[in-house]
Amino acid sequence: GDSVTQMEGPVTLSEEAFLTINCTYTATGYPSLFWYVQYPGEGLQLLLKATKADDKGSNKGFEATYRKETTSFHLEKGSVQVSDSAVYFCALRQGAQKLVFGQGTRLTINP
Amino acid sequence: GAVVSQHPSWVICKSGTSVKIECRSLDFQATTMFWYRQFPKQSLMLMATSNEGSKATYEQGVEKDKFLINHASLTLSTLTVTSAHPEDSSFYICSAPVAGGMDTQYFGPGTRLTVL
Repeated sequence: GDSVTQMEGPVTLSEEAFLTINCTYTATGYPSLFWYVQYPGEGLQLLLKATKADDKGSNKGFEATYRKETTSFHLEKGSVQVSDSAVYFCALRQGAQKLVFGQGTRLTINP
Repeated sequence: GAVVSQHPSWVICKSGTSVKIECRSLDFQATTMFWYRQFPKQSLMLMATSNEGSKATYEQGVEKDKFLINHASLTLSTLTVTSAHPEDSSFYICSAPVAGGMDTQYFGPGTRLTVL
Protein backbone atom coordinates (compact mmCIF):
# COMPACT_ATOMS: atom_id res chain seq x y z
CA GLY A 1 0.00 0.00 0.00
CA ASP A 2 0.87 3.67 -0.07
CA SER A 3 3.38 4.87 2.49
CA VAL A 4 5.37 7.93 3.56
CA THR A 5 8.82 7.92 5.14
CA GLN A 6 10.29 10.93 6.91
CA MET A 7 13.72 11.51 8.31
CA GLU A 8 13.89 10.54 11.93
CA GLY A 9 14.02 13.26 14.50
CA PRO A 10 14.41 15.03 16.64
CA VAL A 11 16.11 17.79 14.72
CA THR A 12 17.73 20.62 16.65
CA LEU A 13 19.01 23.74 14.93
CA SER A 14 20.10 27.22 15.83
CA GLU A 15 18.05 30.21 14.79
CA GLU A 16 18.66 31.34 11.19
CA ALA A 17 20.00 27.93 10.17
CA PHE A 18 18.92 26.22 6.96
CA LEU A 19 16.35 23.46 7.40
CA THR A 20 15.73 20.33 5.38
CA ILE A 21 13.36 17.58 6.47
CA ASN A 22 13.40 14.68 4.04
CA CYS A 23 10.24 12.94 2.92
CA THR A 24 9.87 10.13 0.41
CA TYR A 25 6.76 8.26 -0.58
CA THR A 26 5.58 5.06 -2.16
CA ALA A 27 2.36 5.17 -4.14
CA THR A 28 0.83 3.36 -7.08
CA GLY A 29 -0.68 6.43 -8.71
CA TYR A 30 -0.14 10.17 -8.64
CA PRO A 31 -0.92 11.35 -5.14
CA SER A 32 -1.24 14.84 -3.76
CA LEU A 33 1.49 15.60 -1.23
CA PHE A 34 1.24 17.64 1.94
CA TRP A 35 3.22 18.97 4.84
CA TYR A 36 1.35 19.45 8.11
CA VAL A 37 2.71 21.18 11.20
CA GLN A 38 1.68 20.63 14.80
CA TYR A 39 2.60 23.32 17.28
CA PRO A 40 2.62 22.42 20.99
CA GLY A 41 -0.89 21.94 22.32
CA GLU A 42 -2.55 22.50 18.96
CA GLY A 43 -4.01 20.38 16.17
CA LEU A 44 -2.24 19.64 12.91
CA GLN A 45 -2.36 22.50 10.43
CA LEU A 46 -1.80 22.31 6.70
CA LEU A 47 1.51 24.02 5.96
CA LEU A 48 1.74 23.50 2.21
CA LYS A 49 0.75 21.12 -0.54
CA ALA A 50 1.49 20.10 -4.13
CA THR A 51 -0.88 18.21 -6.36
CA LYS A 52 1.27 17.22 -9.34
CA ALA A 53 4.84 16.57 -10.35
CA ASP A 54 7.19 19.58 -10.30
CA ASP A 55 4.68 21.68 -8.33
CA LYS A 56 6.22 23.69 -5.53
CA GLY A 57 4.22 24.32 -2.42
CA SER A 58 5.21 27.25 -0.23
CA ASN A 59 4.02 28.98 2.91
CA LYS A 60 5.58 30.94 5.78
CA GLY A 61 9.01 30.69 4.17
CA PHE A 62 8.80 26.90 3.84
CA GLU A 63 8.99 25.22 0.45
CA ALA A 64 8.68 21.71 -0.91
CA THR A 65 8.83 20.49 -4.50
CA TYR A 66 6.98 17.42 -5.76
CA ARG A 67 9.72 15.26 -7.34
CA LYS A 68 8.16 12.33 -9.14
CA GLU A 69 11.49 10.95 -10.36
CA THR A 70 12.80 10.60 -6.82
CA THR A 71 9.36 10.18 -5.17
CA SER A 72 10.29 12.91 -2.73
CA PHE A 73 8.76 16.01 -1.16
CA HIS A 74 11.49 17.45 1.04
CA LEU A 75 10.64 20.41 3.25
CA GLU A 76 13.07 23.34 3.27
CA LYS A 77 13.40 26.73 4.89
CA GLY A 78 16.28 29.10 4.42
CA SER A 79 16.34 30.66 7.87
CA VAL A 80 14.44 29.09 10.73
CA GLN A 81 13.06 30.89 13.75
CA VAL A 82 12.37 29.76 17.29
CA SER A 83 8.66 29.94 16.46
CA ASP A 84 9.14 27.18 13.87
CA SER A 85 9.67 24.66 16.66
CA ALA A 86 6.98 22.04 16.13
CA VAL A 87 6.35 18.55 14.80
CA TYR A 88 6.20 18.29 11.01
CA PHE A 89 4.28 15.57 9.18
CA CYS A 90 4.59 14.66 5.53
CA ALA A 91 1.49 13.06 4.02
CA LEU A 92 -0.02 11.89 0.76
CA ARG A 93 -3.53 11.44 -0.53
CA GLN A 94 -4.80 9.59 -3.59
CA GLY A 95 -7.92 11.22 -4.97
CA ALA A 96 -10.63 11.24 -2.35
CA GLN A 97 -8.95 8.55 -0.30
CA LYS A 98 -7.53 8.90 3.15
CA LEU A 99 -4.43 10.79 4.15
CA VAL A 100 -1.37 8.64 4.76
CA PHE A 101 1.09 10.25 7.17
CA GLY A 102 4.77 9.87 7.84
CA GLN A 103 5.85 9.38 11.44
CA GLY A 104 6.51 13.06 12.08
CA THR A 105 9.74 14.95 12.74
CA ARG A 106 10.14 17.02 15.87
CA LEU A 107 12.02 20.26 15.18
CA THR A 108 13.51 22.40 17.92
CA ILE A 109 15.07 25.76 17.16
CA ASN A 110 17.36 27.25 19.76
CA PRO A 111 17.86 31.01 20.01
CA GLY B 1 -9.73 29.69 10.20
CA ALA B 2 -11.98 26.82 11.10
CA VAL B 3 -11.51 25.22 14.49
CA VAL B 4 -11.99 21.67 15.66
CA SER B 5 -12.02 20.96 19.37
CA GLN B 6 -11.68 17.74 21.30
CA HIS B 7 -12.76 16.92 24.80
CA PRO B 8 -11.24 15.83 27.03
CA SER B 9 -7.66 16.71 26.20
CA TRP B 10 -6.45 13.88 28.40
CA VAL B 11 -8.08 11.10 30.38
CA ILE B 12 -6.88 8.37 32.70
CA CYS B 13 -9.16 5.43 33.31
CA LYS B 14 -9.13 1.98 34.85
CA SER B 15 -8.97 -1.13 32.73
CA GLY B 16 -12.43 -2.34 31.79
CA THR B 17 -14.14 1.03 31.79
CA SER B 18 -15.40 2.93 28.74
CA VAL B 19 -14.22 6.34 27.70
CA LYS B 20 -15.98 8.80 25.38
CA ILE B 21 -14.04 11.38 23.36
CA GLU B 22 -15.85 14.24 21.67
CA CYS B 23 -14.86 16.01 18.48
CA ARG B 24 -16.61 19.26 17.58
CA SER B 25 -16.38 21.55 14.60
CA LEU B 26 -16.83 24.97 16.14
CA ASP B 27 -17.63 27.25 13.23
CA PHE B 28 -18.47 25.00 10.33
CA GLN B 29 -20.55 21.95 9.62
CA ALA B 30 -18.87 18.63 9.01
CA THR B 31 -20.78 15.78 7.42
CA THR B 32 -17.60 13.75 7.62
CA MET B 33 -15.03 13.50 10.39
CA PHE B 34 -11.99 11.29 10.67
CA TRP B 35 -10.59 9.57 13.73
CA TYR B 36 -6.88 8.85 13.96
CA ARG B 37 -4.70 7.09 16.47
CA GLN B 38 -1.08 8.00 17.09
CA PHE B 39 1.42 5.89 18.95
CA PRO B 40 4.58 7.50 20.37
CA LYS B 41 7.04 8.43 17.64
CA GLN B 42 4.77 6.93 14.99
CA SER B 43 2.54 8.34 12.33
CA LEU B 44 -1.17 9.00 12.56
CA MET B 45 -3.15 5.94 11.57
CA LEU B 46 -6.68 6.42 10.29
CA MET B 47 -9.10 4.39 12.38
CA ALA B 48 -12.44 5.28 10.88
CA THR B 49 -14.47 7.77 8.91
CA SER B 50 -17.44 9.16 10.77
CA ASN B 51 -20.47 10.05 8.64
CA GLU B 52 -23.31 12.20 9.91
CA GLY B 53 -26.54 10.25 9.92
CA SER B 54 -25.04 6.94 8.90
CA LYS B 55 -22.68 4.25 10.10
CA ALA B 56 -19.00 4.91 10.39
CA THR B 57 -16.57 3.29 7.99
CA TYR B 58 -13.76 1.48 9.78
CA GLU B 59 -10.27 0.79 8.48
CA GLN B 60 -9.07 -2.75 8.20
CA GLY B 61 -8.00 -4.15 11.54
CA VAL B 62 -9.98 -1.68 13.66
CA GLU B 63 -12.56 -3.34 15.89
CA LYS B 64 -15.97 -1.78 15.37
CA ASP B 65 -17.31 -3.00 18.68
CA LYS B 66 -14.27 -1.73 20.51
CA PHE B 67 -14.25 1.76 19.05
CA LEU B 68 -17.83 3.00 18.79
CA ILE B 69 -18.35 6.07 16.65
CA ASN B 70 -21.46 8.22 16.65
CA HIS B 71 -21.88 11.25 14.39
CA ALA B 72 -25.09 12.60 15.83
CA SER B 73 -25.01 16.10 14.37
CA LEU B 74 -23.20 18.18 11.78
CA THR B 75 -20.82 19.51 14.43
CA LEU B 76 -20.24 16.56 16.75
CA SER B 77 -18.69 13.13 16.45
CA THR B 78 -17.90 10.91 19.42
CA LEU B 79 -15.48 8.02 19.79
CA THR B 80 -16.14 5.63 22.65
CA VAL B 81 -13.41 3.22 23.63
CA THR B 82 -15.31 0.35 25.23
CA SER B 83 -13.86 -1.89 27.91
CA ALA B 84 -10.55 -0.12 27.64
CA HIS B 85 -7.31 -1.98 28.22
CA PRO B 86 -3.73 -0.70 28.64
CA GLU B 87 -2.98 -1.44 24.97
CA ASP B 88 -5.66 1.13 24.04
CA SER B 89 -3.55 3.85 25.62
CA SER B 90 -2.73 6.25 22.83
CA PHE B 91 -3.23 9.71 21.38
CA TYR B 92 -6.54 10.02 19.53
CA ILE B 93 -6.99 12.80 16.99
CA CYS B 94 -10.01 13.81 14.96
CA SER B 95 -10.22 15.90 11.83
CA ALA B 96 -12.94 17.40 9.69
CA PRO B 97 -12.68 18.55 6.08
CA VAL B 98 -14.26 21.78 4.99
CA ALA B 99 -17.19 21.05 2.68
CA GLY B 100 -16.02 20.56 -0.90
CA GLY B 101 -12.36 20.59 0.05
CA MET B 102 -10.89 17.31 1.17
CA ASP B 103 -7.45 18.89 0.98
CA THR B 104 -8.38 21.29 3.73
CA GLN B 105 -8.83 19.21 6.84
CA TYR B 106 -8.92 20.81 10.24
CA PHE B 107 -7.50 18.75 13.06
CA GLY B 108 -8.39 18.70 16.71
CA PRO B 109 -5.62 19.03 19.31
CA GLY B 110 -5.92 15.40 20.28
CA THR B 111 -6.90 13.41 23.37
CA ARG B 112 -4.36 11.41 25.31
CA LEU B 113 -5.87 8.26 26.79
CA THR B 114 -4.05 6.34 29.50
CA VAL B 115 -5.58 3.08 30.66
CA LEU B 116 -4.24 1.76 33.94
